[in-house]
Amino acid sequence: GQNIDQPTEMTATEGAIVQINCTYQTSGFNGLFWYQQHAGEAPTFLSYNVLDGLEEKGRFSSFLSRSKGYSYLLLKELQMKDSASYLCAVRDPTGGFKTIFGAGTRLFVKA
Amino acid sequence: GAGVSQSPSNKVTEKGKDVELRCDPISGHTALYWYRQSLGQGLEFLIYFQGNSAPDKSGLPSDRFSAERTGGSVSTLTIQRTQQEDSAVYLCASSSDFGQQETQYFGPGTRLLVL
Repeated sequence: GQNIDQPTEMTATEGAIVQINCTYQTSGFNGLFWYQQHAGEAPTFLSYNVLDGLEEKGRFSSFLSRSKGYSYLLLKELQMKDSASYLCAVRDPTGGFKTIFGAGTRLFVKA
Repeated sequence: GAGVSQSPSNKVTEKGKDVELRCDPISGHTALYWYRQSLGQGLEFLIYFQGNSAPDKSGLPSDRFSAERTGGSVSTLTIQRTQQEDSAVYLCASSSDFGQQETQYFGPGTRLLVL
């Protein structure tokens, strides 16, 4: 089967660091994406990992371990505008290259 | 336009009616996806078009749902005999090619409410 698990909600303080975990079980694997979605808006691309390791992009970093079926998104120096849902998605080439999305993690950043 | 556009932005319909949702992808993007997102939920894959290949319809929830893509550009998602459980936001996304980092660019969505 295909399954992507993320925590439902997280709360963190402005200026702090937060790590959002994602575990996946898919038939195949051809890359993992993180998207940010503000309430009432469409998702926007944050990061992409296809090889093991850490990808850093400004305040955001994403890590992947293919052997463990695990990824995390690390957000540093949190800002109030980072309050959003963060969607983990896996591209599965089995039977077609569709992208499977997790339910998302709602992050609340408090002052 | 510069981004993916969808119309209508909101649609209210009565149970049993048919609806058509439209997506205009970014010019030149060969891949087009339809997703459904219920309130507070993640994205549910519906259908995927890539160039001239046969679409991947594996996510369509029932035979009331169909989609087509004319001329490799605009796509229409049709829901026949709508049911209340069809109420959701329908998101369209496009991407430039079938490469490694196939970033999907999403449209603003169509909010469908079936009464």
